[in-house]
Amino acid sequence: AQSVAQPEDQVNVAEGNPLTVKCTYSVSGNPYLFWYVQYPNRGLQFLLKYITGDNLVKGSYGFEAEFNKSQTSFHLKKPSALVSDSALYFCAASPGGYQKVTFGTGTKLQVIP
Amino acid sequence: DGGITQSPKYLFRKEGQNVTLSCEQNLNHDAMYWYRQDPGQGLRLIYYSQIVNDFQKGDIAEGYSVSREKKESFPLTVTSAQKNPTAFYLCASRSGTGFGNTIYFGEGSWLTVV
Repeated sequence: AQSVAQPEDQVNVAEGNPLTVKCTYSVSGNPYLFWYVQYPNRGLQFLLKYITGDNLVKGSYGFEAEFNKSQTSFHLKKPSALVSDSALYFCAASPGGYQKVTFGTGTKLQVIP
Repeated sequence: DGGITQSPKYLFRKEGQNVTLSCEQNLNHDAMYWYRQDPGQGLRLIYYSQIVNDFQKGDIAEGYSVSREKKESFPLTVTSAQKNPTAFYLCASRSGTGFGNTIYFGEGSWLTVV
């Protein structure tokens, strides 16, 4: 069975500092990996994805993620955090095609002014 | 605008009632999904459909039903058999062809039992 783990329920970071939100996965074959952001009372917004190729993926709003096959990780990063980045972040994984996408439990990011 | 529309945004259900949440997409996506979100529990898959007139149970299908009569529509019925239906419900869709296979979400619907 496929699974996604986000080991931190909450991450606190000072504004202007770099941020990392961690994600590890267990998916058969070559995974499709995704990051989403959710603001209160809203749906999930797509940030970025890894399909194949370069291990460093760049996405929306200055976010990027690093794929590490040996560690089965896909950590979300941003060089300089903004207060407006405070939200709930979800990592997701899928074998691709129509098969179901599995989400992590989410990590709440709090950026402190 | 292209996207996924969920309605209503807020819905109240009395004990013993069935209620239906609407989900419509104009992205021409083949696959559609329903997720339930509870605080601190992430997203759990209720049902998904890969093609018209076909759907599969997800991880928590008990007490829910769906239909997929049209490609653009995937309504979710929360039946009286669902004992704890209060939650935030998210509809999503996904193209299975071409590069990407990104899953896109609607804005969600809140269901509260009163």
